[in-house]
Amino acid sequence: AQSVTQPDIHITVSEGASLELRCNYSYGATPYLFWYVQSPGQGLQLLLKYFSGDTLVQGIKGFEAEFKRSQSSFNLRKPSVHWSDAAEYFCAVGAADSWGKFQFGAGTQVVVTP
Amino acid sequence: DTGVSQDPRHKITKRGQNVTFRCDPISEHNRLYWYRQTLGQGPEFLTYFQNEAQLEKSRLLSDRFSAERPKGSFSTLEIQRTEQGDSAMYLCASSLEGARGYTFGSGTRLTVV
Repeated sequence: AQSVTQPDIHITVSEGASLELRCNYSYGATPYLFWYVQSPGQGLQLLLKYFSGDTLVQGIKGFEAEFKRSQSSFNLRKPSVHWSDAAEYFCAVGAADSWGKFQFGAGTQVVVTP
Repeated sequence: DTGVSQDPRHKITKRGQNVTFRCDPISEHNRLYWYRQTLGQGPEFLTYFQNEAQLEKSRLLSDRFSAERPKGSFSTLEIQRTEQGDSAMYLCASSLEGARGYTFGSGTRLTVV
């Protein structure tokens, strides 16, 4: 069965500190992996995506993610968070041979403290 | 190009009423998706169009739900006889065929009272 797990429902981080959000997936086919961010009352914005090649992917807003096939993980990182990074973050998985239907994790809420 | 537009942004309706939402995708995108997001959860796939053809529907899409994309441009999602459990954010997304990843709209938040 296909699944996406974001183990952390809620993370609080100080402004300027580093951030890591975890994502684990179970997917039979070769996965496409994504991270989206959602501000309150808004739609989802794509931060980065992985299809193949270099397992360290750079995205927008200073985020990066690393694909680790052996651990079935695609963790999101940012070296130094800004107050504007407070939002909900979703990991998503799609099959490489599909037309674009994604399965999303339940999300991780990030709170940034001064 | 202003991205994916959804209308209305918010809708409050009484239980049992019908509601219709509209999505205008990015103009050159031939694929259009509807997702539903309930509080505290990630988006869940509802249905997908390629041009005007509806190619797949989730089991989440009960008989009370219908989606159309009559000319392969904008799409509508109608919910008949709304129930409180229909309260959610309804998200639309679009992409080009073969594109890896898509663009979401800001969503329509439905509250059924």
